[in-house]
Amino acid sequence: DVKVTQSSRYLVKRTGEKVFLECVQDMDHENMFWYRQDPGLGLRLIYFSYDVKMKEKGDIPEGYSVSREKKERFSLILESASTNQTSMYLCASSSPGLAGGEQYFGPGTRLTVT
Amino acid sequence: AQSVAQPEDQVNVAEGNPLTVKCTYSVSGNPYLFWYVQYPNRGLQFLLKYITGDNLVKGSYGFEAEFNKSQTSFHLKKPSALVSDSALYFCAVRDLRGGSYIPTFGRGTSLIVHP
Repeated sequence: DVKVTQSSRYLVKRTGEKVFLECVQDMDHENMFWYRQDPGLGLRLIYFSYDVKMKEKGDIPEGYSVSREKKERFSLILESASTNQTSMYLCASSSPGLAGGEQYFGPGTRLTVT
Repeated sequence: AQSVAQPEDQVNVAEGNPLTVKCTYSVSGNPYLFWYVQYPNRGLQFLLKYITGDNLVKGSYGFEAEFNKSQTSFHLKKPSALVSDSALYFCAVRDLRGGSYIPTFGRGTSLIVHP
């Protein structure tokens, strides 16, 4: 069974802290993604990566950075957490394929910044 | 850029009745379309996709979607709704960004099935 795991289901951090969200996939997928999900706004793409050490900005990269040192692992970093970064964070992976490939999602991390 | 729209924030249906969750798309070229479902406190799960061929696509959990080119729509359907189908549903279209094909999602539609 394919699997995308995220390091935490729930996380509470203080304003100004550096926050790391980890994502691991076991499907040997080339593409990995970080989204944030907010009510009424759907999924918004923060960053994606199509290969090790490669990254592309998504729609809302401000305040975030990412790291992909190994194919199976994609990390999202909040350099200095702020309250407006309180959200659900979803990681996904996919294989490019002919149609871009369907995505496989992790269970999500609900981050609260106080 | 490619985009999809889900015109309904919420859809209510009685158990046993047919359900439809609407999605319209705007693309240049041929659309590659997807539906995902998100159950409470879970990540998204892939339901089905349309690439080419038959306009009626069958997917997981008894769902199907009808591709209509003239109406630029890709509505999700199920003949008989279950209470357990209550979830958030997302339509998505393949887009080309940074040299890679990735999906662009709609805002989601909350489906509530009443007993």
